[in-house]
Amino acid sequence: GNSVTQMEGPVTLSEEAFLTINCTYTATGYPSLFWYVQYPGEGLQLLLKATKADDKGSNKGFEATYRKETTSFHLEKGSVQVSDSAVYFCALRGSNYQLIWGAGTKLIIKP
Amino acid sequence: NAGVTQTPKFRILKIGQSMTLQCAQDMNHNYMYWYRQDPGMGLKLIYYSVGAGITDKGEVPNGYNVSRSTTEDFPLRLELAAPSQTSVYFCASSPRDTYEQYFGPGTRLTVT
Repeated sequence: GNSVTQMEGPVTLSEEAFLTINCTYTATGYPSLFWYVQYPGEGLQLLLKATKADDKGSNKGFEATYRKETTSFHLEKGSVQVSDSAVYFCALRGSNYQLIWGAGTKLIIKP
Repeated sequence: NAGVTQTPKFRILKIGQSMTLQCAQDMNHNYMYWYRQDPGMGLKLIYYSVGAGITDKGEVPNGYNVSRSTTEDFPLRLELAAPSQTSVYFCASSPRDTYEQYFGPGTRLTVT
């Protein structure tokens, strides 16, 4: 069945460092892929998405490219800020009107 | 547009009590979902609905019930609360075409 695997956290970086959070998936076909972010004490918000293979989603300096060859959708940002500290969730569009979620990766940015 | 609203924000229940978590959305979304998030963990789907009058079980439905009498509202009922139901509960909705889910701010529930 469909599944999403994310790198385990926490990931701790210094401000202005380069960020990569790995996400790989198993799916039938090429479903839409999503990254959501959860700031402390809040609900999840959609960060970016890609609806077909080779698409790049981007928002707030974050990017992710839908790579069918490696079944990956890694999240990247060139220079992180303290305000980026949050939990990041990768997800794919599954069947039965649902999203299939990864376990989440906690990101800690130190000044 | 208020988006997805949830009430209450916090609640403490005693073991065996019951309560209803309220969820409403004003985006005319067909699909609605209830998740729980245990400390440091990901999301687990409790129930979902694809439209008024239609609900189905998710991954962890035991101890919960839902109803969907209108497009806007999707309340979650906890019967006979247990300490294992201590969690943060999120409601979400999505439109039919994109599957993008929009989340409420959550309800933090403690059962003691």
